[in-house]
Amino acid sequence: DIQMTQSPSTLSASVGDRVTITCRASQTISRWLAWYQQRPGKAPNLLIYQASNLESGVPSRFTGSGSGTEFTLTISSLQPDDFATYYCQQYNTYSRTFGQGTKVEIK
Amino acid sequence: EVQVVESGGGLIQPGGSLRLSCAASGFIVSSNFMSWVRQPPGKGLEWVSVIYSDGSTYYADSVKGRFTISRDNSRNTLFLQMKSLRAEDTAVYYCAKDLFWNTISGVLTLPQSWGQGTLVTVSS
Repeated sequence: DIQMTQSPSTLSASVGDRVTITCRASQTISRWLAWYQQRPGKAPNLLIYQASNLESGVPSRFTGSGSGTEFTLTISSLQPDDFATYYCQQYNTYSRTFGQGTKVEIK
Repeated sequence: EVQVVESGGGLIQPGGSLRLSCAASGFIVSSNFMSWVRQPPGKGLEWVSVIYSDGSTYYADSVKGRFTISRDNSRNTLFLQMKSLRAEDTAVYYCAKDLFWNTISGVLTLPQSWGQGTLVTVSS
């Protein structure tokens, strides 16, 4: 199975900060990578697919980049609604795998 | 509007069986790709299973041989039959309608529209 490693595990930031989360794959996955946001007690919400495509309705402050084995999710100006846990997921094979998550906390 | 609603979770003893349901509206289950994903309490997400529009099914190694994904076209509903349940199967189970891409190496899918989840607790 392809292993996905996110960093950092926890991130403390303030409203208005620029935030970057990294996701590394144990082998190349081309651009078959997605990012989800999950708020406490809620289902995950798809933010980005194919590494950089913004899902409909997602604010433009979220951007994704990368290919191969290294990917990033950037939030250009953190808003109160953005304090949540973020997961990357590879879907290059039918056996999809998620990263362990990055919790974005209020500083 | 695309909507999926899970049900069927509860408390079950180790070794027991349970069937989860996922009622869909706003789209046709049999024409789409559907996934189950689970999340143990306080932990991360784990993909469980997917069913393709052609009926092909795939499973995570952790549930292969114990779980079965299926659908009822007349009820527009997805199911997850779970047998030989273990404590480590305790989780919130989400169903999702997937995005999909046809590629040279086959179909790739990704959960897009998720339900609210149903909690399965395996404990004596």
